[in-house]
Amino acid sequence: DTEVTQTPKHLVMGMTNKKSLKCEQHMGHRAMYWYKQKAKKPPELMFVYSYEKLSINESVPSRFSPECPNSSLLNLHLHALQPEDSALYLCASSSTPGRKEDQPQHFGDGTRLSIL
Amino acid sequence: GENVEQHPSTLSVQEGDSAVIKCTYSDSASNYFPWYKQELGKRPQLIIDIRSNVGEKKDQRIAVTLNKTAKHFSLHITETQPEDSAVYFCAAKRGFQKLVFGTGTRLLVSP
Repeated sequence: DTEVTQTPKHLVMGMTNKKSLKCEQHMGHRAMYWYKQKAKKPPELMFVYSYEKLSINESVPSRFSPECPNSSLLNLHLHALQPEDSALYLCASSSTPGRKEDQPQHFGDGTRLSIL
Repeated sequence: GENVEQHPSTLSVQEGDSAVIKCTYSDSASNYFPWYKQELGKRPQLIIDIRSNVGEKKDQRIAVTLNKTAKHFSLHITETQPEDSAVYFCAAKRGFQKLVFGTGTRLLVSP
């Protein structure tokens, strides 16, 4: 059973639509991540939230807007996407950031996004 | 920044054989090295990880070795089974930097 839950599992949207992806974890993790994964490629980091504050933005276009309303939730708001944005969007979480030892990142099942 | 190379890109073995996947990293300060297994249409799943203060770690049929001097680490799977078929990603990380993934290895285990 995955401990990081993502909804929806699939999303098809037009280039003018606005939609949101949702990620939820109840493991008490305080670091949460958004990744983009194209077919046959490794996950590519987009954003990192640490203690509900944005700590890393990997120069992601502004048509992607992350939000972390609380320590358990992470959203990714989508607007005016392009066909090349079609991909699997993965959320991940890890326990207390800033600890001396790195903690594993646990992934959700992802949202498969198709832009028409 | 960190760069991780992974080989081979595809690996075919017979059931029961061993499989070895190798990764090299560029940043000598990297200190955390996880391995993920991703089945088709599924999420990347952490299968084993190793930190730089350890040279080898085993978990049943899976082991990871780390050579800090040569800056490479390897995944060893013994007694492979068809359900081991998947794409395997290595990764490396330094401190608060981002996790950098290798390009992936597609493992096919034939019955």
